Amino acid sequence: GAGVSQSPSNKVTEKGKDVELRCDPISGHTALYWYRQSLGQGLEFLIYFQGNSAPDKSGLPSDRFSAERTGGSVSTLTIQRTQQEDSAVYLCASSLGGLGSYEQYFGPGTRLTVT
Amino acid sequence: AQSVSQHNHHVILSEAASLELGCNYSYGGTVNLFWYVQYPGQHLQLLLKYFSGDPLVKGIKGFEAEFIKSKFSFNLRKPSVQWSDTAEYFCAVNAKGGSYIPTFGRGTSLIVHP
Repeated sequence: GAGVSQSPSNKVTEKGKDVELRCDPISGHTALYWYRQSLGQGLEFLIYFQGNSAPDKSGLPSDRFSAERTGGSVSTLTIQRTQQEDSAVYLCASSLGGLGSYEQYFGPGTRLTVT
Repeated sequence: AQSVSQHNHHVILSEAASLELGCNYSYGGTVNLFWYVQYPGQHLQLLLKYFSGDPLVKGIKGFEAEFIKSKFSFNLRKPSVQWSDTAEYFCAVNAKGGSYIPTFGRGTSLIVHP
């Protein structure tokens, strides 16, 4: 079946512009995660959605970052007034359930470059 | 808060050499443990996982990992690596009853020379 998809695969933007990154999780997966991966660093957790519960936003680095998940499926990560330090690969993952008891399925990522 | 340490950031081996990648975590309670792999140009994918039971778990492609609770470790091993094992390897820990968000290590880049 289809895996997790993300779009765009690459995004180059100018400093100060807003960007939207999209994630389509695997159908039926209730949990969705956003991570940021910078060169030489691990995966930095950003935000977590589980079913209809309020999202866990504890990993968002600043109020320029926000995310939503519509209808329990597609999610959009928005970065406002982008900065050069926002350049990274943004990964989305979904899992069958939450509570960390299920493996995560990752998308291919969106490589964001802020010039 | 839980944390994960992968001490080997870069490992270079020749084919047929044995592999052991270290993973240590800090959390005093019960954990779920994962190893993920990212082959060049591909998605992160699960290599193996430990939830409970036999602390020696087998994964895909001949990999295994051993959970040693007293050492807070979950090291990844393979007796004989192949060129196709060249990849980035990430250890992840999720604390049962704690944060439900897996914490990832920084990753280990493995290069296997043919």
